[in-house]
Amino acid sequence: GAVVSQHPSRVICKSGTSVKIECRSLDFQATTMFWYRQFPKQSLMLMATSNEGSKATYEQGVEKDKFLINHASLTLSTLTVTSAHPEDSSFYICSAGGDLRGYTFGSGTRLTVV
Amino acid sequence: AQSVTQPDIHITVSEGASLELRCNYSYGATPYLFWYVQSPGQGLQLLLKYFSGDTLVQGIKGFEAEFKRSQSSFNLRKPSVHWSDAAEYFCAVGAPGNQFYFGTGTSLTVIP
Repeated sequence: GAVVSQHPSRVICKSGTSVKIECRSLDFQATTMFWYRQFPKQSLMLMATSNEGSKATYEQGVEKDKFLINHASLTLSTLTVTSAHPEDSSFYICSAGGDLRGYTFGSGTRLTVV
Repeated sequence: AQSVTQPDIHITVSEGASLELRCNYSYGATPYLFWYVQSPGQGLQLLLKYFSGDTLVQGIKGFEAEFKRSQSSFNLRKPSVHWSDAAEYFCAVGAPGNQFYFGTGTSLTVIP
């Protein structure tokens, strides 16, 4: 149990375009999902907390207009990187689950903006 | 302030040797502690977690970790390392319904 599916695993996009990343909890309902970003050879940094049915909470320094988060159902949260630029190239990982099972992470999305 | 420190950026061990990865944390409430492993280009896989009870917890792939409250530590150990254990290891602290705080990771290299 406690499986989180993240899609796509890799995406390459042109500068100025938008990219949507999906995070699904497959066998449980997740009222809260978290989006992390990981730069090469660095740790994971929380970008935002996604709450079902309400606005996401963004960490300081994260542009909410650039990283749009939608958590429209109890099993799906999406992160849209708008007007992507090369500096947005990174590894994005979501996690879901707020109970004592501990957080389950998606497999991550490698975004490359060219 | 909440934080996790992994003092060792990179560790190299011989296959078959024992392993200990260090983790120290600072957390304002009762900590829930986790160890994750990440292979290159992959997501995070949970190795083990500690919530309460026995301070020595067993995880997958032969890993174990010991919670020492007095030292604010949660070190990961394995008696005999396999080549397939080469990966990045992250210690994390958090609580249900709240974000995780991750250490900067320890990269493990296993030599034949």
